[in-house]
Amino acid sequence: DTGVSQDPRHKITKRGQNVTFRCDPISEHNRLYWYRQTLGQGPEFLTYFQNEAQLEKSRLLSDRFSAERPKGSFSTLEIQRTEQGDSAMYLCASSLGATTEAFFGQGTRLTVV
Amino acid sequence: EDQVTQSPEALRLQEGESSSLNCSYTVSGLRGLFWYRQDPGKGPEFLFTLYSAGEEKEKERLKATLTKKESFLHITAPKPEDSATYLCAVQAVRQTGANNLFFGTGTRLTVIP
Repeated sequence: DTGVSQDPRHKITKRGQNVTFRCDPISEHNRLYWYRQTLGQGPEFLTYFQNEAQLEKSRLLSDRFSAERPKGSFSTLEIQRTEQGDSAMYLCASSLGATTEAFFGQGTRLTVV
Repeated sequence: EDQVTQSPEALRLQEGESSSLNCSYTVSGLRGLFWYRQDPGKGPEFLFTLYSAGEEKEKERLKATLTKKESFLHITAPKPEDSATYLCAVQAVRQTGANNLFFGTGTRLTVIP
C-alpha cells in the first residue's frame, strides 16, 4: 500500500494525558499536512511541512500541540495535557509540491474521557 | 477571509435520480478547487481538482464544473455505493507559499435502492 498511513487508528485517553500520533506520507511527497475534523464539520488545517521545515501553523494549534517531521519523511503530532475539546479525527495528508492534490490518510480518532 | 458554503447539507436520492451538489466560495485568489468524497470513519478520498472558470472534469457518474463563484458536482444515475459525504475545498494563493485547503462542511448524500 503506497498511500498515506496513520497510526494508531483509534486512541482513547484520559484528560490530562499526552498522546502522540504518527503519519507516514506517500514516499515521494515533500509536503505534509495535519488537519483536525470534528463531527459534521469539514477538516480544519492545523500545520504543514515542506520536507523537514514546518512552514505554517494555524491559530487552532495551541501551545499544547507540537508537530515534527525530523528527516522529511514521517511526521508526529503530539498533544500534551489533553482536554475533552481535543476529541476529534486527526487527519494527515501529503502532496508533491504546491499545486498538486493532497492525499489523505484514514485518520486517527482521538477520544478524551 | 476564505469561505466555502456547501448545499444542501443532506440529500436523499432514489437510485438513478440525477442531481447536483453546490459549493459556493469566496477566496482572495483561487489556486484550485477540490472535491473529495468521505465515507464514515475514513479520510477524504480525492476526486477532482479544478483550476479555472469553465473547467469541467468527469469520473464515472460524477462531473465537476467551476465558475468564478461556485462549483457544482453533478451526479448522474447514482447508485447506493455513491452514498457518502462530498467535501469541497479551496486552495488560495498565499504569499507564504502555503497551499493548505479550506473545506466546507460537506453534503451528505444517501442513495436509496
